[in-house]
Amino acid sequence: DAGVIQSPRHEVTEMGQEVTLRCKPISGHDYLFWYRQTMMRGLELLIYFNNNVPIDDSGMPEDRFSAKMPNASFSTLKIQPSEPRDSAVYFCASSLTARGGNEQFFGPGTRLTVL
Amino acid sequence: AQTVTQSQPEMSVQEAETVTLSCTYDTSESDYYLFWYKQPPSRQMILVIRQEAYKQQNATENRFSVNFQKAAKSFSLKISDSQLGDAAMYFCAYRRSRGSQGNLIFGKGTKLSVKP
Repeated sequence: DAGVIQSPRHEVTEMGQEVTLRCKPISGHDYLFWYRQTMMRGLELLIYFNNNVPIDDSGMPEDRFSAKMPNASFSTLKIQPSEPRDSAVYFCASSLTARGGNEQFFGPGTRLTVL
Repeated sequence: AQTVTQSQPEMSVQEAETVTLSCTYDTSESDYYLFWYKQPPSRQMILVIRQEAYKQQNATENRFSVNFQKAAKSFSLKISDSQLGDAAMYFCAYRRSRGSQGNLIFGKGTKLSVKP
């Protein structure tokens, strides 16, 4: 398996533009997580899905952020409109289950820069 | 709410020596899992080792081992025979064992440098 795939690896955009980050989880994994990493706040959960259904979106910072999982092999995280404070590395991760010691496998991340 | 604290923003070790990274956490749960993840400059998050809270025996993975002190809520990582490839950010993480909340809660990380 190729692991968790994220695209793009790098994104540079201007304030006010729409940004879409993409993730393909490992085949067969039922859980998908979106994390954001910044110097100030570290790694924090934005949202996670179970069987394509959003379970916890309490980490989504505001209405400008939205996430979807239309099928088991694809998820998007959209920011509209983007702001400079959204600059961060966004990670997607997947796991077989969300409980216990099941490993979360991380993608390589998308580095987003909003000018 | 659960929290994870890594009090050492940076650490340095000489190649072939041993280094210990500290982690403490706060939870009211009795059953949970703890993890150490490594993040090299490539940004890829890699699982190093995991510990089940109900197991008293400390987990080991080759040169990596943990010192799990449940009463003290402490979970340190020991790296023996340090190698240049061990240089990375190391994150301690917590996850509940039961319930619907399956996400990882991370510490702020420790940057480890390995000197040749």
